[in-house]
Amino acid sequence: NAGVTQTPKFQVLKTGQSMTLQCAQDMNHNSMYWYRQDPGMGLRLIYYSASEGTTDKGEVPNGYNVSRLNKREFSLRLESAAPSQTSVYFCASSDWTGFNEKLFFGSGTQLSVL
Amino acid sequence: DAKTTQPPSMDCAEGRAANLPCNHSTISGNEYVYWYRQIHSQGPQYIIHGLKNNETNEMASLIITEDRKSSTLILPHATLRDTAVYYCIVKAVNRDDKIIFGKGTRLHILP
Repeated sequence: NAGVTQTPKFQVLKTGQSMTLQCAQDMNHNSMYWYRQDPGMGLRLIYYSASEGTTDKGEVPNGYNVSRLNKREFSLRLESAAPSQTSVYFCASSDWTGFNEKLFFGSGTQLSVL
Repeated sequence: DAKTTQPPSMDCAEGRAANLPCNHSTISGNEYVYWYRQIHSQGPQYIIHGLKNNETNEMASLIITEDRKSSTLILPHATLRDTAVYYCIVKAVNRDDKIIFGKGTRLHILP
C-alpha cells in the first residue's frame, strides 16, 4: 500500500498564480486533512473532511479552497498565491472509529511563493 | 487553539528514559490524548493514545494522571533516532472534532 500520496513534492509559484495540491489515500479512510507547517513551527489545520461530501474550515482557511472529490482524494487549491503561503503542506487521513483515530500523513509538498 | 501545553524543548542522554510532559487541564471526559512525533521534515508519525488508563506499545508508554489533566510520554531507552518534535493532542470521540496540533516539544537525544 502507498498510504497517503501527495503531489507535487516541490513547487515554486509567482505571486498571484494558482495551483492545486493533490492528495490521495488508499486505506479507505473516511477523514482527510490538510495542514501547513511554516519553518520552525507546528502544524496548523487548513481544512478537513470528516467524510466524503463534507468539508470544514480549520485554523487557517483563508486563501484556500478544498474539494473532496471522492473517498480517496482531497485536493487543496490556492486561487491567488501569496508569499505568506510559502510553507510545507501535509495531507493526512484517518479512519474514525470513535476510540482510535490515528492520522497517517503524506510526505509533504514544499511550496515557495515568490 | 491547541488544547495542550508542552515545553518547547528537552534534552535526554542516549540510553536513558525520555519523559515528555503534556498539560491538558481543560480536557473533557470524551477526549482522548494522542501523541505524534515528527522527525526532521517528514510527516508526523502516530505513537500512542489513551483515555484514562496507562498505555504501552512497542514505541512508548503513556501515563495519564488520575484527574486526566496531564500526561507523560515515556520513551524507555532513547536513541539518537528518537530526536524529533513530539506533539501531544487532545481529541474528542465525535467524528467532527478537529485535530489541532500545538507547537510540540523538540527532543534532543545527546550521545
